[in-house]
Amino acid sequence: EVQILETGGGLVKPGGSLRLSCATSGFNFNDYFMHWVRQAPGNGLEWVAEVRNKNNNYATYYAASVKGRFTISRDDSKSSVYLQVSSLRAEDTAIYYCTRLTIAAISFDYWGQGVMVTVSS
Amino acid sequence: DIVMTQGALPNPVPSGESASITCQSSKSLLYSDGKTYLNWYLQRPGQSPQLLIYWMSTRASGVSDRFSGSGSGTDFTLKISRVEAEDVGVYYCQQFLEFPTFGSGTKLEIK
Repeated sequence: EVQILETGGGLVKPGGSLRLSCATSGFNFNDYFMHWVRQAPGNGLEWVAEVRNKNNNYATYYAASVKGRFTISRDDSKSSVYLQVSSLRAEDTAIYYCTRLTIAAISFDYWGQGVMVTVSS
Repeated sequence: DIVMTQGALPNPVPSGESASITCQSSKSLLYSDGKTYLNWYLQRPGQSPQLLIYWMSTRASGVSDRFSGSGSGTDFTLKISRVEAEDVGVYYCQQFLEFPTFGSGTKLEIK
């Protein structure tokens, strides 16, 4: 059974940082690209970042709204992906979901339950 | 960025009736491989999104055949036949031709 579990959220002051973690199991992590998608309270879904797999040189990509402030990474030995969020702003307040991209269908087929990040003074 | 625009539903929809959700993209999502990179997700209240439809019309594993997707390169429809209580939530279209963008969501309520 595929499982995705995010941790590391919390309350942080503007300008602060957090490291979100996403632990996975139940599939061959090495084969997949992993993404973060966020959802501000009461709002829709916004793609945040992607990290590709070893065969694709661990390439990373970011939404314009977070580029230069957020860093996505992965540890294949731990089947985990991370999102370092820095220089946080109030508008970064959201639930952050870790999700798996299925290459066969180019869609997000499994999602974690999400982790809340609140940016407030 | 490709902009995705979703239509609203005339809520609440009577149980057992059909509901159709529309979605438009600012650019054709038809790729040279013949596939249209348009996905549909359902986010039930308090839950994470779940994949319903990919490649515009292919149901994801385990998804009821009451859900069907159709469309052209820029105009898409998700049809839900015989709506049930478990269909309540917000439906999102998403393009994956380029870096993914989502529609703003369409809420389904049932009477």
